[in-house]
Amino acid sequence: QKEVEQDPGPLSVPEGAIVSLNCTYSNSAFQYFMWYRQYSRKGPELLMYTYSSGNKEDGRFTAQVDKSSKYISLFIRDSQPSDSATYLCAMLNDYKLSFGAGTTVTVRA
Amino acid sequence: NAGVTQTPKFQVLKTGQSMTLQCAQDMNHNSMYWYRQDPGMGLRLIYYSASEGTTDKGEVPNGYNVSRLNKREFSLRLESAAPSQTSVYFCASNTGYTFGSGTRLTVV
Repeated sequence: QKEVEQDPGPLSVPEGAIVSLNCTYSNSAFQYFMWYRQYSRKGPELLMYTYSSGNKEDGRFTAQVDKSSKYISLFIRDSQPSDSATYLCAMLNDYKLSFGAGTTVTVRA
Repeated sequence: NAGVTQTPKFQVLKTGQSMTLQCAQDMNHNSMYWYRQDPGMGLRLIYYSASEGTTDKGEVPNGYNVSRLNKREFSLRLESAAPSQTSVYFCASNTGYTFGSGTRLTVV
């Protein structure tokens, strides 16, 4: 079993919709929880990170962590065509990141 | 420009050939990383260097070697390339806060 499992997608949503992305994990030692955005043929770009259970907002993005259920989510409000990308969850333990496989999102204009 | 710079951007190798992927960062970060990305597999850690002078294996180190030349540079070497090493390789620094733009490697 992989340490980090991510809903595979792909997701296709109309412009303005809320996008919901989810990951589960099995390693209780993970300390930080990240979300990355990756455009086609580009490197991953860190969107948000958090280390505690609860919600963290940054503009249209909300990261949610539930350590008791070992579950994290990313919500994108008022989605735009420019949000079309692959989103990767990642979790940090002892200098090392473990990534989910990614979810490809397409926002239709 | 500040960031992580990888060279080359593209490379085609024949089976058995060797090559070194170069990575440099100008942000004075202590830690640097090499990942490979394959379809449906996400990013997998090959090797990392928590600080200058140290290197450690990640999840998929077989067939690779690394050198932390100084604080700025961290290279990845394929001694005898195999088709299974066809992938996109990413270098990152500062526990993954900053990634390079990748090297697309094809081994034929």
